[in-house]
Amino acid sequence: SQKIEQNSEALNIQEGKTATLTCNYTNYSPAYLQWYRQDPGRGPVFLLLIRENEKEKRKERLKVTFDTTLKQSLFHITASQPADSATYLCALVGGGSYIPTFGRGTSLIVHP
Amino acid sequence: EAQVTQNPRYLITVTGKKLTVTCSQNMNHEYMSWYRQDPGLGLRQIYYSMNVEVTDKGDVPEGYKVSRKEKRNFPLILESPSPNQTSLYFCASSLGGTGTYEQYFGPGTRLTVT
Repeated sequence: SQKIEQNSEALNIQEGKTATLTCNYTNYSPAYLQWYRQDPGRGPVFLLLIRENEKEKRKERLKVTFDTTLKQSLFHITASQPADSATYLCALVGGGSYIPTFGRGTSLIVHP
Repeated sequence: EAQVTQNPRYLITVTGKKLTVTCSQNMNHEYMSWYRQDPGLGLRQIYYSMNVEVTDKGDVPEGYKVSRKEKRNFPLILESPSPNQTSLYFCASSLGGTGTYEQYFGPGTRLTVT
């Protein structure tokens, strides 16, 4: 069955460092991979999308890579700030459905 | 303001008492969907709709119904709620077509079934 894996353990880093979050998937051929941010008790907010034929996408301090051979995406936040603390979800779109399937998310905690 | 609204935001009910959670979007989006979010399980898709009068089951549809009679509305119906449906529910919409499939989420409905 299709599976999306994100590290369930929280990632703790110091302010100013680069945070790197991982999304792995199996039994899936996504056309797109999305990253969302979710704050406690609130709905996820879309951050970035990367297509299957793209290797890397950047937006301000965010960078996403997509390796369809490894079936993995990496999400980087450079110069991290305490305000970046949140849960980050990856989501896959493809397989005939245009509604994303979400991973469980990884909590990021940036310490001042 | 472009948004997805859900009502109610909080609901406590008893087992077996039918309820409806409303969802409305003002962005003329084609696609709408419902998710539930539980600790340790993440966001799981309940039902989705890619157009008016077209709905499909997601990963966890048991115990839920939906309808899409108008483009802007996508209510979630629990005919006979049970305690295992206690959860945080999100409605979402997206433009569809060949865009980014960016999902716009509502604020969530926290449901407790006793």
